Amino acid sequence: GAGVSQTPSNKVTEKGKYVELRCDPISGHTALYWYRQSLGQGPEFLIYFQGTGAADDSGLPNDRFFAVRPEGSVSTLKIQRTERGDSAVYLCASSSLARGSPLHFGNGTRLTVT
Amino acid sequence: SQQGEEDPQALSIQEGENATMNCSYKTSINNLQWYRQNSGRGLVHLILIRSNEREKHSGRLRVTLDTSKKSSSLLITASRAADTASYFCATDLGSYSTLTFGKGTMLLVSP
Repeated sequence: GAGVSQTPSNKVTEKGKYVELRCDPISGHTALYWYRQSLGQGPEFLIYFQGTGAADDSGLPNDRFFAVRPEGSVSTLKIQRTERGDSAVYLCASSSLARGSPLHFGNGTRLTVT
Repeated sequence: SQQGEEDPQALSIQEGENATMNCSYKTSINNLQWYRQNSGRGLVHLILIRSNEREKHSGRLRVTLDTSKKSSSLLITASRAADTASYFCATDLGSYSTLTFGKGTMLLVSP
């Protein structure tokens, strides 16, 4: 079946611009996670959704970052006033089970802020 | 902050050899998971070992967990060029936590 889909696969934007990154999880998966991965590093947790609500947003670095999941399926990560330090690969993952269960990852969106 | 730390950072071996990667962590865990990431791709779950388990096998993979030493190892036997990837351990601290990943081990298997 279809895996986790992330669009776009690459996004180049200018400093100060607004960007939206989309994640389409595996159908029926209630848990959805956003991670950020910098070069040579492991994924860093940003936010976790259980259904429509953000159950844990403790990883969001500041108030320029926001994520929504209005219908409990597709999620959008929104970054305002982008900075060069926001450049990274943004990974989305979903899971059908409780926290701590194996995650299914998408291929990520590579964001480059120039 | 990162809970797990993999060792070595990079490993280069020949096809047919075994590859061993280690992961150390700092606090008590509910379970520990290993993931693989090919270049430019997302992570793929390999194996999960719970805190009350000491060893687990899946195909050519063998994972051990020593909770007294707060460490885990991943052994890939009879490696293949297709095993070339980065390998990450991830720790789950319990029902109110989220998986925390280490920095990974880059494995290169040469034909």
